[in-house]
Amino acid sequence: GQQLNQSPQSMFIQEGEDVSMNCTSSSIFNTWLWYKQDPGEGPVLLIALYKAGELTSNGRLTAQFGITRKDSFLNISASIPSDVGIYFCAGPMTTDSWGKLQFGAGTQVVVTP
Amino acid sequence: SAVISQKPSRDICQRGTSLTIQCQVDSQVTMMFWYRQQPGQSLTLIATANQGSEATYESGFVIDKFPISRPNLTFSTLTVSNLSPEDSSIYLCSAAGVQGGEQYFGPGTRLTVT
Repeated sequence: GQQLNQSPQSMFIQEGEDVSMNCTSSSIFNTWLWYKQDPGEGPVLLIALYKAGELTSNGRLTAQFGITRKDSFLNISASIPSDVGIYFCAGPMTTDSWGKLQFGAGTQVVVTP
Repeated sequence: SAVISQKPSRDICQRGTSLTIQCQVDSQVTMMFWYRQQPGQSLTLIATANQGSEATYESGFVIDKFPISRPNLTFSTLTVSNLSPEDSSIYLCSAAGVQGGEQYFGPGTRLTVT
């Protein structure tokens, strides 16, 4: 099956700084999804990407679907305390596994005032 | 987007017993899934809950241990059977529509096995 690598594992940043994280796949993806999970909650969908090269924003969040279709990144600009949480990338388990997702290991973001 | 609720939100169960988790979606959805998130880990797909037919399980997960029902397009249950401490995890259900791409998650059920 496809493997999905997410980095960095954790980030400690000051309020106001920008954050960047990325995911790479061993195979081509047709979808990239980015989620945020707060403690005690389920993952919340932040951004969905469907086309190579696609750049999509959601407020201070921006995500891009890599041109090679094997990578994606998520940027958070001007971080605030509520950005704290674990961010996961996700993609299809196989090219024909409609709806079945595999997840990256997650990036823990800690924001200090 | 779909709004998904799960019951119970958490439970503490004894070894050897079973726990059934309910998942309710506020609208009809094509696909429903069950995931497990072990402590400090990422999410792993357990199975696809198929409406009107048997669930489709991923490698490492079997029906005897994780029986799943999906009687209609808005509801599913996951039972975790013959519990052991290794089953202590968060169990999450998710739903995807006809488009398939966007998938939404419930709040999770935190299971502790003693």
